[in-house]
Amino acid sequence: GQSLEQPSEVTAVEGAIVQINCTYQTSGFYGLSWYQQHDGGAPTFLSYNALDGLEETGRFSSFLSRSDSYGYLLLQELQMKDSASYFCAVRGNNFNKFYFGSGTKLNVKP
Amino acid sequence: SAVISQKPSRDICQRGTSLTIQCQVDSQVTMMFWYRQQPGQSLTLIATANQGSEATYESGFVIDKFPISRPNLTFSTLTVSNMSPEDSSIYLCSVVRTAFRTSGRGEDNEQFFGPGTRLTVL
Repeated sequence: GQSLEQPSEVTAVEGAIVQINCTYQTSGFYGLSWYQQHDGGAPTFLSYNALDGLEETGRFSSFLSRSDSYGYLLLQELQMKDSASYFCAVRGNNFNKFYFGSGTKLNVKP
Repeated sequence: SAVISQKPSRDICQRGTSLTIQCQVDSQVTMMFWYRQQPGQSLTLIATANQGSEATYESGFVIDKFPISRPNLTFSTLTVSNMSPEDSSIYLCSVVRTAFRTSGRGEDNEQFFGPGTRLTVL
């Protein structure tokens, strides 16, 4: 089975940097994904890490350490529109099935 | 990328009835995935819809309750049968696109979701 842990809520101010952590326990591991979901909307893919290290996409970066079963999403230059829920998800097998963490609600304040 | 549409976008149903949700993708894919997201909760994988074979279900989900069809490589349906209020949820279909990174850092698996079907069971 799979087990993922994320903080339930994080608050930060506009312009700051925030890191959302994800630890996982899985019977198999092929990669870790991150998604953003605004209230009432569908999840939107942000990044995928299959290898250790950092992947960068604009203001968002994602890090993976397979030996520590740990990853994080880094959001820089926070904007009000970044207020949303963020989910990590593990790809636990070779069939592109993703299993989601409980989600972190990010509140960005002026 | 992938563009996914779902019908209906929302519905209110009576206990004991069934609802079929349709999912259409703008290009051919081998596997389509069905998720459920209960209010304020995370996403739970229900099943994988495979073209040309039976769907595979995750633990806790059974074919009698959630029958799935996959008649071709761009379309799938999920039926929620004999509904109860506990089935009230958002149902999402999803596909994954795989591409190799030019950076040499392995492959990128990008998951796309449909807009979801918001189901309320009275």
